[in-house]
Amino acid sequence: DQQVKQNSPSLSVQEGRISILNCDYTNSMFDYFLWYKKYPAEGPTFLISISSIKDKNEDGRFTVFLNKSAKHLSLHIVPSQPGDSAVYFCAARGSEKLVFGKGMKLTVNP
Amino acid sequence: DGGITQSPKYLFRKEGQNVTLSCEQNLNHDAMYWYRQDPGQGLRLIYYSQIVNDFQKGDIAEGYSVSREKKESFPLTVTSAQKNPTAFYLCASSTVAHYEQFFGPGTRLTVL
Repeated sequence: DQQVKQNSPSLSVQEGRISILNCDYTNSMFDYFLWYKKYPAEGPTFLISISSIKDKNEDGRFTVFLNKSAKHLSLHIVPSQPGDSAVYFCAARGSEKLVFGKGMKLTVNP
Repeated sequence: DGGITQSPKYLFRKEGQNVTLSCEQNLNHDAMYWYRQDPGQGLRLIYYSQIVNDFQKGDIAEGYSVSREKKESFPLTVTSAQKNPTAFYLCASSTVAHYEQFFGPGTRLTVL
């Protein structure tokens, strides 16, 4: 039973445009959500997070939106840069551990 | 520099041998975690520990064992009972009160 889903395996965008990465979850008890970025053969690095009591959190080029009624969150990257090309994981906190999605590969073309 | 170290980066073992993966952190974090990543599978939790001398099974603990004798160290042993040990293994840590987990660089284990 996959509680955190990233339904699109990949996304390709042009440099300077917006990248929108989506994530859906099924467990309404999740209270905290995170996005991680991962390059091949490296560990994930934390990008941005949001508490379930908020609907938006912004950090530079990265903004995360949370729609609790739809159990949906999204990560917006504006403007996208070639260095943003990586696999992005969304994660949700439940029962003192994180539940990760399967990841989405973002490619930003120069 | 504070961080998490995992060694070695690449590890090769023969089938049937136990192998231990190292994870050390100097972030003074109480909680530590082991994940496994397979292609298309995301990160799956193997074991986690919230305090020294205590640990809990994650979603895929069968064939693995851990110990937590020191706050800084959380080694993972992949035993011969693990049916598909070839994978990328990630160690992480976090403060108990915070939710962000910080990851090490990972160990690629290949069983021949």
